[in-house]
Amino acid sequence: GAVVSQHPSRVICKSGTSVKIECRSLDFQATTMFWYRQFPKKSLMLMATSNEGSKATYEQGVEKDKFLINHASLTLSTLTVTSAHPEDSSFYICSARDPRHPNNEQFFGPGTRLTVL
Amino acid sequence: DAKTTQPNSMESNEEEPVHLPCNHSTISGTDYIHWYRQLPSQGPEYVIHGLTSNVNNRMASLAIAEDRKSSTLILHRATLRDAAVYYCILRKRGGSEKLVFGKGTKLTVNP
Repeated sequence: GAVVSQHPSRVICKSGTSVKIECRSLDFQATTMFWYRQFPKKSLMLMATSNEGSKATYEQGVEKDKFLINHASLTLSTLTVTSAHPEDSSFYICSARDPRHPNNEQFFGPGTRLTVL
Repeated sequence: DAKTTQPNSMESNEEEPVHLPCNHSTISGTDYIHWYRQLPSQGPEYVIHGLTSNVNNRMASLAIAEDRKSSTLILHRATLRDAAVYYCILRKRGGSEKLVFGKGTKLTVNP
């Protein structure tokens, strides 16, 4: 199947700093990528849809100025958590659909665990 | 959006079949039924999907009720590596590609 990578896999930062998380589609081009957040023992919550070459679409209740998304190329989307606080500590996961796959399945990255001290 | 209902948890023994149910009584005619699973500390992975007919692939089988108001994911022989949270998700044909995850079913496989 298609491969989606994320970097870093784990990051610890101080409160007030900004953290950038990268999501890459390694062997396919993705015009659309998705960003999710997952708190411990909870389900994935969709944060936003990242569109290549245009603005991201945020889900209700997600602060777009806090979670900046940039989808500058067909293989890379970035999520920047600005002025991070302890409540932003979570598991962040991205996904993308490989248009070559007839099943319409989405491929997920391995996730990035963010800890804000 | 149509919702799905799954049991919070299920247990199985290794090498036995597992039937994971999902209720989606408000499903529309254009909703596909997708199943994904998430192993601990990993991103989810696609398992299977279907519309009306039962489906089989190398990972699992999907049995869809005739009225489409429920479906069952079948793992024919559970292994310890199948221990995961299984999510049943509806996605409208031709609609947004985004997936809305419910709470899923946590499957424990006993050796």
